[in-house]
Amino acid sequence: QKEVEQDPGPLSVPEGAIVSLNCTYSNSAFQYFMWYRQYSRKGPELLMYTYSSGNKEDGRFTAQVDKSSKYISLFIRDSQPSDSATYLCAMKTQGGSEKLVFGKGTKLTVNP
Amino acid sequence: GAGVSQSPRYKVAKRGQDVALRCDPISGHVSLFWYQQALGQGPEFLTYFQNEAQLDKSGLPSDRFFAERPEGSVSTLKIQRTQQEDSAVYLCASSSSGTGGFEQYFGPGTRLTVT
Repeated sequence: QKEVEQDPGPLSVPEGAIVSLNCTYSNSAFQYFMWYRQYSRKGPELLMYTYSSGNKEDGRFTAQVDKSSKYISLFIRDSQPSDSATYLCAMKTQGGSEKLVFGKGTKLTVNP
Repeated sequence: GAGVSQSPRYKVAKRGQDVALRCDPISGHVSLFWYQQALGQGPEFLTYFQNEAQLDKSGLPSDRFFAERPEGSVSTLKIQRTQQEDSAVYLCASSSSGTGGFEQYFGPGTRLTVT
């Protein structure tokens, strides 16, 4: 079993829909939780991060972390065709390895 | 903008050939990471440098993989005697943090195809 599990989709939604993306993890030492967006043939781009538990909002994006359930989510409101990309969750421990551990990525298509 | 750059962007190698992939991190960034991204997968950690010191190479899949960052800036990932399973996108990332940070900025990657 991988440390971080993410449903690869694909996920296809109409423009304006609310999108919910999520990951589960097994390593309770993870303290940093990130969401990256990766367009085709590009490198991942950091969208949002959360330290430990809680919610964080940035415009149309909301990130949630539930450490008791080892479950993180990214919500996209009023989705746009430009949001079409692969969304990767990533996690990191504090004080241990400096590496990021990624999920498989979920491919999202927002249809106009 | 002065982001992370990688070269070449695409590389085709015959099985058994050696390849060298270059990464130019963001100027002044202390930390540099290499990741391997297979088709349809998330990036997998290969190795990490803090300045010129290679502090973690636990993700390198075999002794055919070698990375260096001799002057603490540009890094090269070398793969000897390439195999078909080495076909992947190789991503470089840099960070202004030494230890304890989490923000990593990724380059566009080098797509390696081994035929």
